[in-house]
Amino acid sequence: QQPVQSPQAVILREGEDAVINCSSSKALYSVHWYRQKHGEAPVFLMILLKGGEQKGHEKISASFNEKKQQSSLYLTASQLSYSGTYFCGTGLISSGSARQLTFGSGTQLTVLP
Amino acid sequence: DAGITQSPRYKITETGRQVTLMCHQTWSHSYMFWYRQDLGHGLRLIYYSAAADITDKGEVPDGYVVSRSKTENFPLTLESATRSQTSVYFCASSDGDRVSGNTIYFGEGSWLTVV
Repeated sequence: QQPVQSPQAVILREGEDAVINCSSSKALYSVHWYRQKHGEAPVFLMILLKGGEQKGHEKISASFNEKKQQSSLYLTASQLSYSGTYFCGTGLISSGSARQLTFGSGTQLTVLP
Repeated sequence: DAGITQSPRYKITETGRQVTLMCHQTWSHSYMFWYRQDLGHGLRLIYYSAAADITDKGEVPDGYVVSRSKTENFPLTLESATRSQTSVYFCASSDGDRVSGNTIYFGEGSWLTVV
């Protein structure tokens, strides 16, 4: 089942912070985050595993709340280069296979100067 | 470092015609995938392959055929293209099956329009 991302779109000014959420109705084993710029391929950001792990990548970090089956992506002090569509992909506990990685419909992030 | 290359990048075809999208990866990754991306649906898995000569259906396989005679190639064929198959198609690869820690690497996409 497709995870639900929120918000669908967000516009912010350079230097502002943003949070993107990814929720599932099923028990998750992992959450993957990707960013896609218009006309380009999705680019890997990070993977979070069951256990509430938090990871960071420069000024982008993410958390995984096992109890809520939710992951949040935090973008701190946004830069113009952060603009793009962010996708989460969820892996279920019921399956150990990458074929069960299901992507959300994306959150379009626009950073204005 | 070529990674994953897709061809053609852009294609316009007519309803009913057969179309093949090519995918080639240079990493010797065992797993390869085909996704389609449509507005509002995100990325949906069409087919995947665990190794040469091993393929399996994903979420939306109807109307598509895949083959994998060599590890590095994973072509996707639309046997009789329909307008509903107008989409952006992404080939991807991963060096493992487990969702736990295996990154999926995407190609640059093939834009297909069926008229």
